[in-house]
Amino acid sequence: DQQVKQNSPSLSVQEGRISILNCDYTNSMFDYFLWYKKYPAEGPTFLISISSIKDKNEDGRFTVFLNKSAKHLSLHIVPSQPGDSAVYFCAASAAGNTGKLIFGQGTTLQVKP
Amino acid sequence: EPEVTQTPSHQVTQMGQEVILRCVPISNHLYFYWYRQILGQKVEFLVSFYNNEISEKSEIFDDQFSVERPDGSNFTLKIRSTKLEDSAMYFCASGKEYSNQPQHFGDGTRLSIL
Repeated sequence: DQQVKQNSPSLSVQEGRISILNCDYTNSMFDYFLWYKKYPAEGPTFLISISSIKDKNEDGRFTVFLNKSAKHLSLHIVPSQPGDSAVYFCAASAAGNTGKLIFGQGTTLQVKP
Repeated sequence: EPEVTQTPSHQVTQMGQEVILRCVPISNHLYFYWYRQILGQKVEFLVSFYNNEISEKSEIFDDQFSVERPDGSNFTLKIRSTKLEDSAMYFCASGKEYSNQPQHFGDGTRLSIL
């Protein structure tokens, strides 16, 4: 099941710079997209989401962009901090279903001081 | 901030034994989910639960699996006869609505089948 893909397994960024994490999807029925952050031995923590009626949503240092025509979303973190180092998952759900989330494989972000 | 809690954090069980994983969802949430993550793989949906019944289940969720909400607060996942391939992290999640609202996850139960 490759409906949601994160093609970069890892990303390393200098503290203070921008981190850009990418996610692609194939199912045109997806209408709600989320980003989760996960530390080792913890569950996924909700970060930010976006509905398909929008193309951008911002919350503090985190901005999610949605390009429906390209079936692509990205998470921007500005400025990046060492505490942002974690695994980031994008997830999507489809209209009319029960809220089932389909996850990408995750991208490990390392922010270097 | 309210959170989803899961117990135990780690469960070790002999193959063929029954196991029950427990979750306490966030109190005003109405939609409940189980997911699992096998080591090195994606987080996979298992089942969604609303109004005391299963609303959707994946192919993984076969007859060996069951869920219930026995007392209005706990939400449990039972595996009747565990197999080696059931070894995984199991995450419980809950949400206020089934669409356009985030699900909030517990810290998971690591299930190890020997």
